[in-house]
Amino acid sequence: EIVLTQSPATLSLSPGERATLSCRASQSVSSYLAWYQQKPGQAPRLLISDASNRATGIPARFSGSGSGTDFTLTISSLEPEDFAVYYCQQRSNWPLTFGGGTKVDIK
Amino acid sequence: EVQLLESGGGLVQPGGSLRLSCAASGFSFSSYGMSWVRQAPGKGLEWVSSISGGGSSTYYADSVKGRFTISRDNSKNTLYLQMSRLRAEDTAVYYCATRISGSFDYWGQGTLVTVSS
Repeated sequence: EIVLTQSPATLSLSPGERATLSCRASQSVSSYLAWYQQKPGQAPRLLISDASNRATGIPARFSGSGSGTDFTLTISSLEPEDFAVYYCQQRSNWPLTFGGGTKVDIK
Repeated sequence: EVQLLESGGGLVQPGGSLRLSCAASGFSFSSYGMSWVRQAPGKGLEWVSSISGGGSSTYYADSVKGRFTISRDNSKNTLYLQMSRLRAEDTAVYYCATRISGSFDYWGQGTLVTVSS
């Protein structure tokens, strides 16, 4: 099973700041990595697929990068609605696995 | 517009059974894989099971293998998850999700399953 480790667990930032979230895989997942955003009481929403492809309707301030074992989700300038929990997920191997999540909260 | 509507959750005793349904609309249901993902209260996301568009290929997390069965009825645009021998640790919100791009593109709002005596 591929283990995804997200860091940091919590990121405290102010609106307008840049957020950098990390996801590290226990073995290579090529570019088969996605990022999701989840707000309290809501279902997750796909942000980025295949490491760097923004999903439909996702603002350009969200970007993904990386390949192999190290991946990054960057939010260039935090908007109030971006404070949420973010998960990475790999689809390179069965079983599909998620990282433990990074909570981005307001400083 | 893609819509996914889960139903069938509720309170069940340990060892009991439950069947979840997910009614899909807004896309070519039979062309794409579908999945179930769950989230225990206050915890992260856990993939549970996936099925191919035609239904011939199925995949399960080790934690549910042998107890859960995923299936689909393409004539009804509906995905199912038959859950048996339920345990307290199966308590979670269960989401169905599409796999149009390979990732979990669209999600339903979830249905809560509580396993308790």
